[in-house]
Amino acid sequence: EVQLVQSTAEVKKPGESLKISCKVSGYTSTSYWIAWVRQMPGKGLEWMGAIHPSDSDTRYSPSFRGQVTISSDKSISTAYLQWSSLRASDTAMYYCGMGYDYSDYWGQGTLVTVSS
Amino acid sequence: EIVVTQSPATLSVSPGERATLSCRTSQTINSNLAWYQQKPGQAPRLLISGASTRATGVPARFSGSGSATEFTLTISSLQSEDFAVYYCQQYNNWPPITFGQGTRVEIK
Repeated sequence: EVQLVQSTAEVKKPGESLKISCKVSGYTSTSYWIAWVRQMPGKGLEWMGAIHPSDSDTRYSPSFRGQVTISSDKSISTAYLQWSSLRASDTAMYYCGMGYDYSDYWGQGTLVTVSS
Repeated sequence: EIVVTQSPATLSVSPGERATLSCRTSQTINSNLAWYQQKPGQAPRLLISGASTRATGVPARFSGSGSATEFTLTISSLQSEDFAVYYCQQYNNWPPITFGQGTRVEIK
């Protein structure tokens, strides 16, 4: 059974850094993309970018390029989403999804709260 | 960037009735469209890919159709567990991949 397990909820202050994770299990191939999707409170889904763990090919939405960094460690089947300096507007639920273009499987979400 | 527009924003339907959700893209995307269901407090769930292919375990009452720029998700007979928000997503020639704003299906 394919499972994506994300790191737990975070509460941070503006200006702090953060790295959240998404671990894939139950899938033997490395031929897939891990996408990160933002959902702000009460709002819709926004595709942030994706990474192909086999070769670390990374693609960003223009809206998020330069705002976040997506990375992966294929040795432990884990993808990451990272901020160097959080803002209050980064408060949201972040989901990882796995698939080729679309996402067949999803993590449970990581709630990030940024507040002074 | 391809803009995805869903309509209506909210659909009020009685259990057992048919629901028809629309999705339009600003450019032709062939059949590179997926539909997701999201219930409160849950992650999205893939329903349809390739505009019309049901994902594993998705009931047959869910069907997708369309191509180019016009797409439809039909729920033939709404069950209580189908009341949720539905998103379409285009994945043609990405990045970026883009979602519609969602259609909320609520009990009439």
